[in-house]
Amino acid sequence: QVQLVQSGAEVKKPGALVKVSCKASGYTFTNYGISWVRQAPGQGLEWMGWINAYSGHTKYPQKLQGRVTMTTDSSTSTAYMELRSLRSDDTAVYYCARAELYWEPGDSWGQGTLVTVSS
Amino acid sequence: QSVLTQPPSASGTPGQRVTISCSGSSSNIGSNYVYWYQKLPETAPKLLIYKSNQRPSGVPDRFSGSKSGTSASLAISGLRSEDEADYYCAAWDDSLSGDVVFGGGTKLTV
Repeated sequence: QVQLVQSGAEVKKPGALVKVSCKASGYTFTNYGISWVRQAPGQGLEWMGWINAYSGHTKYPQKLQGRVTMTTDSSTSTAYMELRSLRSDDTAVYYCARAELYWEPGDSWGQGTLVTVSS
Repeated sequence: QSVLTQPPSASGTPGQRVTISCSGSSSNIGSNYVYWYQKLPETAPKLLIYKSNQRPSGVPDRFSGSKSGTSASLAISGLRSEDEADYYCAAWDDSLSGDVVFGGGTKLTV
């Protein structure tokens, strides 16, 4: 069965960067992409972008351009999301999801990674 | 403010049918597929509907999706207590650089 397992919770200071991993199993990693979505406390869902796991092509929302980088390692079927210049409003649970195409939010999701930004 | 508009809350009693609406524009719902997710506290979103009206395997046929123009709806029939959750709609938005946009979520109380 499709499974996405994310790295553990992180606590970061403002201005720092965080890198969250997402290890996929149960399907051919390079046949799909990975999207990233976050949910801040008490808020709704926010799309952070998508990466094609075969080509490495990415799509990022304008709001996060320049602060987010998504990468994949096909040798380990792992996707990574790096967010830089962290601010307090980046505190959220970050999810990865399998998404074949960039316009899809995702079908199977990871368990989520809590990132707390606090001085 | 979310790009897609959902009612903040909905309610029903066991066995009833409830509908959750999602309103957008020509750049998102009007020209792209709609996706629906169920979100329970402390758990990852679960895909309920994809491509506006398709159900993934394993999702009960009590859940159905529809789209008309720039609006979409999720219907849940035979309501159960375990359906109490937050529900989100989502769609690709063609404006600017492109973006997956979500509704603000609807809290369903059973």
